[in-house]
Amino acid sequence: QVQLVESGGGVVRPGRSLRLSCSASGFTFRSYAMHWVRQAPGKGLEWVAVISDDGTKKYYADSVKGRFTIFRDNSNNVAYLQMNSLRAEDTALYYCAKRLGTWALGDWGQGTLVTVSS
Amino acid sequence: QSALTQPASVSGSPGQSIAISCTGTNSDVGGYNYVSWYQHHPGKAPKLIIYDVNNRPSGVSDRFSGSKSGNTASLTISGLQAEDEADYYCNSCTTSNTLLFGGGTKLTVL
Repeated sequence: QVQLVESGGGVVRPGRSLRLSCSASGFTFRSYAMHWVRQAPGKGLEWVAVISDDGTKKYYADSVKGRFTIFRDNSNNVAYLQMNSLRAEDTALYYCAKRLGTWALGDWGQGTLVTVSS
Repeated sequence: QSALTQPASVSGSPGQSIAISCTGTNSDVGGYNYVSWYQHHPGKAPKLIIYDVNNRPSGVSDRFSGSKSGNTASLTISGLQAEDEADYYCNSCTTSNTLLFGGGTKLTVL
């Protein structure tokens, strides 16, 4: 069955960088767009970014545009989120999710926690 | 981009039906039939329960249904059960090829 496992979270100081990984299995990874979604403590879900199946198209939420980069390795079934210039407001549980249909998020990982604090 | 508008909370008794609204604009909810709904129990991964306005993924109970009129989408849960108590989120694609979530609605089963 579909399995998505996020990793790479941790505690980081403001202004520093972190790279999250999403290891996928149980489906043909190269055929699906992949998303990142986050949830700050006590807040709702916030969509972060999406990458097309072939990696050529990438779109971002305004809140992370210019600081975060989404990319993927279809040979190793991994999606990434490179996060630069981190801010306190980026503190959140970060989920990766697999597309279902055109725009729905059909399968989700368990998330990896990012804490930005001095 | 502002979040889609959902009520902060709704409640109902077991067996009853409730509806959760999700209001956007012509640039998101009103412009596309790509509204999805997610159920989120604290500490667990969100679960897709409705996609493309009114479609249920395999395995999701038919007690969950979706609809849309203009810029407002709705999730209806019939025959409320205790295990339905959770946070519910809508989302929609936008004209910018992005996704926008609603602020979330906490469902309490009395």
